[in-house]
Amino acid sequence: NAGVTQTPKFQVLKTGQSMTLQCAQDMNHEYMSWYRQDPGMGLRLIHYSVGAGITDQGEVPNGYNVSRSTTEDFPLRLLSAAPSQTSVYFCASSYSPGSMNTEAFFGQGTRLTVV
Amino acid sequence: SQQGEEDPQALSIQEGENATMNCSYKTSINNLQWYRQNSGRGLVHLILIRSNEREKHSGRLRVTLDTSKKSSSLLITASRAADTASYFCATGGTGGFKTIFGAGTRLFVKA
Repeated sequence: NAGVTQTPKFQVLKTGQSMTLQCAQDMNHEYMSWYRQDPGMGLRLIHYSVGAGITDQGEVPNGYNVSRSTTEDFPLRLLSAAPSQTSVYFCASSYSPGSMNTEAFFGQGTRLTVV
Repeated sequence: SQQGEEDPQALSIQEGENATMNCSYKTSINNLQWYRQNSGRGLVHLILIRSNEREKHSGRLRVTLDTSKKSSSLLITASRAADTASYFCATGGTGGFKTIFGAGTRLFVKA
């Protein structure tokens, strides 16, 4: 099993550009989520999905879109990049957080810089 | 605002000493998890404690949970230089589907 795979690992964008961060998991997890990590801020939840076709907002959703057309994939789209979106982005998957077996598996992260 | 808040923000100890980190949260939970993050890497799950459990052990890790105080602690015994990392608590709420992380404790173990 590959676990959770994120691409790309590094990206530099110009202000106003759009891009998609890819996330794929091969563990048949129904729950997937995107976090951003800024220095001293821990991880903040951007969007999450409880299954194909179902997504919802997290703590900091503005400027980001998601979709979940398959169980395996959960891409994160930056609509119009801003310097405030410079961060490290992590994708995670697990069984339902409300369940008793909810260990989250993380990708290795995408380091995004917006100039 | 974040659900979990770790304390202290940073901790520096000598190899062989014990390290204790605390986490407080705000709402009802189904479970609480602890994760480790080595610099520049993704998070790795360490241990999960359910809301009806009070204490759990895994190797050199001991986690306690006090739901009346909405707090948890992670104890790492006989620390090693390889334990140097950031440690995060995360909560799975009774409301359903969000897993919310705290800001983390940075642990530095000196050899």
